[in-house]
Amino acid sequence: DQQVKQNSPSLSVQEGRISILNCDYTNSMFDYFLWYKKYPAEGPTFLISISSIKDKNEDGRFTVFLNKSAKHLSLHIVPSQPGDSAVYFCAASAFSGNTGKLIFGQGTTLQVKP
Amino acid sequence: NAGVTQTPKFQVLKTGQSMTLQCAQDMNHNSMYWYRQDPGMGLRLIYYSASEGTTDKGEVPNGYNVSRLNKREFSLRLESAAPSQTSVYFCASSEGGTRWDTQYFGPGTRLTVL
Repeated sequence: DQQVKQNSPSLSVQEGRISILNCDYTNSMFDYFLWYKKYPAEGPTFLISISSIKDKNEDGRFTVFLNKSAKHLSLHIVPSQPGDSAVYFCAASAFSGNTGKLIFGQGTTLQVKP
Repeated sequence: NAGVTQTPKFQVLKTGQSMTLQCAQDMNHNSMYWYRQDPGMGLRLIYYSASEGTTDKGEVPNGYNVSRLNKREFSLRLESAAPSQTSVYFCASSEGGTRWDTQYFGPGTRLTVL
């Protein structure tokens, strides 16, 4: 049972436009969410996170929005650049035990065309 | 600093063979993790070590054993490899073991079990 779902396997956008990557979760105990970016033949790297006490967190071109009632989060990249082409994973964490256990989604491959 | 290093990068095994995947970090982090990534499944936590001398099971521990050799090194052992263990394996580390601590990933080991 997939607790964190990224229903779009791939997304293609034009350079300079907005990229919107979506993520849904089912476990209401999740209260901390992260996005990781992964280039081919490399490990994932942390991009941005959001706690459930917020509904938005911004870092430069990257903004994450959280809609707790819909159990949905999204990552906006504005403007998109060719170097943003990568696989993006959302991940979630529940408070219990306050451990580093993360549940990842399946990933969305973003292609930004010049 | 090399960050998180993993050896080997690639490995092919026959069913029933055993092997150990090695992971080392030079960031003086306390916590270390092993994940596997399968197509369409995202990353799933196999085992983690919150601190030197402790290990705990993640989502998918069956068929694996781990050893936290010292603060730097965390190895993953497959005692009797099965085709279902064909995957890309990532090691990660974080300064603390909480969900607020960013996890830093190694480049991965691509394992094929025939």
